[in-house]
Amino acid sequence: SQQGEEDPQALSIQEGENATMNCSYKTSINNLQWYRQNSGRGLVHLILIRSNEREKHSGRLRVTLDTSKKSSSLLITASRAADTASYFCATDTGGSYIPTFGRGTSLIVHP
Amino acid sequence: DAGVIQSPRHEVTEMGQEVTLRCKPISGHDYLFWYRQTMMRGLELLIYFNNNVPIDDSGMPEDRFSAKMPNASFSTLKIQPSEPRDSAVYFCASRYARGQYMNTEAFFGQGTRLTVV
Repeated sequence: SQQGEEDPQALSIQEGENATMNCSYKTSINNLQWYRQNSGRGLVHLILIRSNEREKHSGRLRVTLDTSKKSSSLLITASRAADTASYFCATDTGGSYIPTFGRGTSLIVHP
Repeated sequence: DAGVIQSPRHEVTEMGQEVTLRCKPISGHDYLFWYRQTMMRGLELLIYFNNNVPIDDSGMPEDRFSAKMPNASFSTLKIQPSEPRDSAVYFCASRYARGQYMNTEAFFGQGTRLTVV
């Protein structure tokens, strides 16, 4: 079964707006990762946040982690048409550190 | 490094034929993963290797699927015989995770789009 589940499944916004995607998971994690997948391409790593961290930034990306709620959010500020892609969260659990993926959020940014 | 390299990028084959997908991980990475992506099931982990040894193949759907990693720089995923329901995008990913460096990201190849007709 999949550990992380993203919400919403699909998101459509205008260029310049902020995009927020959420990820919920079921069991304790070592870390949580966010990836982007452009159509027809492989997944590209965006940010990794460890279980003892609460917030991380990378450029226009901001990730938060709430372990008490078993949830994470990815915020893309000032979105661009080039941000159009699917975004996945992946969790590492237990001692194996094997990333398990959710189904992803499909983001469309209209120019 | 050129990243994780998968071949072929596209494969169209007839039902019943053998299919072999190939992966070259990033040099120095000690974990290698094979995932399958479909619209219905999302990204599923099929099998992963640590230091060339298969650790967990519980995600391999059937005995028709097999994977090998003869050395640190090469892995194959074989389907024999192939069926139309095997049609999917197959991704290989690698990762360095050892000692104090366990919280690391995975690097994905571009995938192989398999169509079985």
